[in-house]
Amino acid sequence: QQPVQSPQAVILREGEDAVINCSSSKALYSVHWYRQKHGEAPVFLMILLKGGEQKGHEKISASFNEKKQQSSLYLTASQLSYSGTYFCGTENTGTASKLTFGTGTRLQVTL
Amino acid sequence: EPEVTQTPSHQVTQMGQEVILRCVPISNHLYFYWYRQILGQKVEFLVSFYNNEISEKSEIFDDQFSVERPDGSNFTLKIRSTKLEDSAMYFCASKDWGLAGELFFGEGSRLTVL
Repeated sequence: QQPVQSPQAVILREGEDAVINCSSSKALYSVHWYRQKHGEAPVFLMILLKGGEQKGHEKISASFNEKKQQSSLYLTASQLSYSGTYFCGTENTGTASKLTFGTGTRLQVTL
Repeated sequence: EPEVTQTPSHQVTQMGQEVILRCVPISNHLYFYWYRQILGQKVEFLVSFYNNEISEKSEIFDDQFSVERPDGSNFTLKIRSTKLEDSAMYFCASKDWGLAGELFFGEGSRLTVL
C-alpha cells in the first residue's frame, strides 16, 4: 500500500510556512522526501532513518515518528522556488529495498 | 556530478509495437529501478534490479515488461506490445547501497502510445 499524504494541495504566500504529512500502514525503515517540478524528475530533499538519523542538504526540515509510522516535512519561510509537488517515499526492509511513493502534495508559493 | 541518463527523452509509438527505453545508471551504483508516472499522478514502482536479477516487481510489471543489463553499463526496460495505458513518463533510478540510500533519478523518457 502506498503512503498517504496530506494535504493534497496547498497555496502559500512567499514567506509563509507549511507542513506536509506522510502516513504509512506498514512499519518503516526510512522515509525519503522528494520535490518534483512540472515535467522534471523528482529531486531528493532528505532521508529520515529509523533511530532518528536525518540526512538532507536543503533548508527544509522533517520529522519521523516510527511508532506512528508518520513523517512530516516542514517548509519554513517559503520561497517561490519551493513550488512543486512533494512526494514522500517509504522504505521497508529488504536488500534492494524499493521506495514506495506517496500520493503527492502540490505546493504553490505565490508573491 | 555523476548522473543517471535516459534515452530517448520522448518516444511516440503505435499500439502493439515494441519499445525499449534505455538508461545508464551512475557507474558505481549497484541497485537499479524503473518507475513510471502517468501525467499528473503519483510515481509508481515497476521493478528493482540487483546482482543481475530482478529483486522485486509490482503488479504493473506483467509479462509484457522485461528488464536487462546487457553490458554492465546500460539498464533497459522493454515493453513488448504497447497499450494505450502504457503512455507515461518512465524514470530510471539507481543507488549505491540498499537501505536508506539516496535514489538518483534520470530525467525520464516520455512514452506516448497512439
